[in-house]
Amino acid sequence: DQQVKQNSPSLSVQEGRISILNCDYTNSMFDYFLWYKKYPAEGPTFLISISSIKDKNEDGRFTVFLNKSAKHLSLHIVPSQPGDSAVYFCAASEGTDKLIFGTGTRLQVFP
Amino acid sequence: ETGVTQSPTHLIKTRGQQVTLRCSSQSGHNTVSWYQQALGQGPQFIFQYYREEENGRGNFPPRFSGLQFPNYSSELNVNALELDDSALYLCASSLAVAIQETQYFGPGTRLLVL
Repeated sequence: DQQVKQNSPSLSVQEGRISILNCDYTNSMFDYFLWYKKYPAEGPTFLISISSIKDKNEDGRFTVFLNKSAKHLSLHIVPSQPGDSAVYFCAASEGTDKLIFGTGTRLQVFP
Repeated sequence: ETGVTQSPTHLIKTRGQQVTLRCSSQSGHNTVSWYQQALGQGPQFIFQYYREEENGRGNFPPRFSGLQFPNYSSELNVNALELDDSALYLCASSLAVAIQETQYFGPGTRLLVL
């Protein structure tokens, strides 16, 4: 049973435009959410996180939005740059329990 | 400050064999977690070690076992390898067990079981 879902396996965006990556979850007890970025032959790197007590968290070009009623979160990247091309994973946890990852979305930013 | 390193980078084994994967945590980190990432999937939590003790385990059978050493380096052992064990194995270290602590991932070991 996939508790964290990323329904779009890939996304292609023009440089300078906004990239929106989506993630849905089923467990209402999740209270912490994270986004990781992964380049080929490297491990995932932490990007941004959000606690369930917030609905938005911003860090430079990256913003994560959390809609608890819809059990949905999204990552916005503005403006998108070619170096953002990578696989993006969302992950969730309940308390200090283990991270549950989604299946990832491959983002390609083209010139 | 050195990052998380893993060895070997690639490994080929046959069904039934045993394998040991190694992870060196980032300097100062006392917590290590291991993940299995099958092709087309996200990382799946195997287990976590904190100060040499297992501190949580995912849905993996007992043939997956681990160790954490006093210097906080870690091993993942898999016995009686099965074809489905073919995957990228990632370790991640952090300063503490709290999930809010950023986990730093190594580049992974790609295991192929034939």
